[in-house]
Amino acid sequence: ETGVTQTPRHLVMGMTNKKSLKCEQHLGHNAMYWYKQSAKKPLELMFVYSLEERVENNSVPSRFSPECPNSSHLFLHLHTLQPEDSALYLCASSQDGSGNYNEQFFGPGTRLTVL
Amino acid sequence: AQSVTQLDSQVPVFEEAPVELRCNYSSSVSVYLFWYVQYPNQGLQLLLKYLSGSTLVKGINGFEAEFNKSQTSFHLRKPSVHISDTAEYFCAVSGGGNKLTFGTGTQLKVEL
Repeated sequence: ETGVTQTPRHLVMGMTNKKSLKCEQHLGHNAMYWYKQSAKKPLELMFVYSLEERVENNSVPSRFSPECPNSSHLFLHLHTLQPEDSALYLCASSQDGSGNYNEQFFGPGTRLTVL
Repeated sequence: AQSVTQLDSQVPVFEEAPVELRCNYSSSVSVYLFWYVQYPNQGLQLLLKYLSGSTLVKGINGFEAEFNKSQTSFHLRKPSVHISDTAEYFCAVSGGGNKLTFGTGTQLKVEL
């Protein structure tokens, strides 16, 4: 595997379900990100992890819970979601550090539908 | 804080015609600028980036962009488009660190 991979690619869940999205990067990067992409809206940055520590949480509802067990893996745990949470969830990684320009590499995304 | 404006939500163009996708930004610090492309059902792929130096930046697939500091613009151009260029294009700005601010995207539709 190369680059950034995400599983599953598609997910349909009910509002009472619990599911997890997985992201893995094979680039040796030390920062990982979750974005939400909804139709007609800019990409919304949800969470940022740098060196496995959460450094940003952009007012995301608690029904989204991230986990970064190591620098190569990132999870997004989902529970009691709402229909408006249906979107494409993108994972990205970058080589973080002072003075870096933050070129981010993206995975293919998970298309989430909440019924 | 930074912001990005992509004025055109959709740009239709005929194959082999030139195209320009507009991007304006605002920032209180020096910026790094990016264009990403997203094909249907895929993630974002970097087309090109401006970090410093020459204001004309060349990227993949024949695209180029020009950084204009006085007009705070970073427009994307291609002299002759192909059907395969049909995709959504995102302009993004970074002031350094780990935050990228994206525009709302421009859907480029290339027609025969």
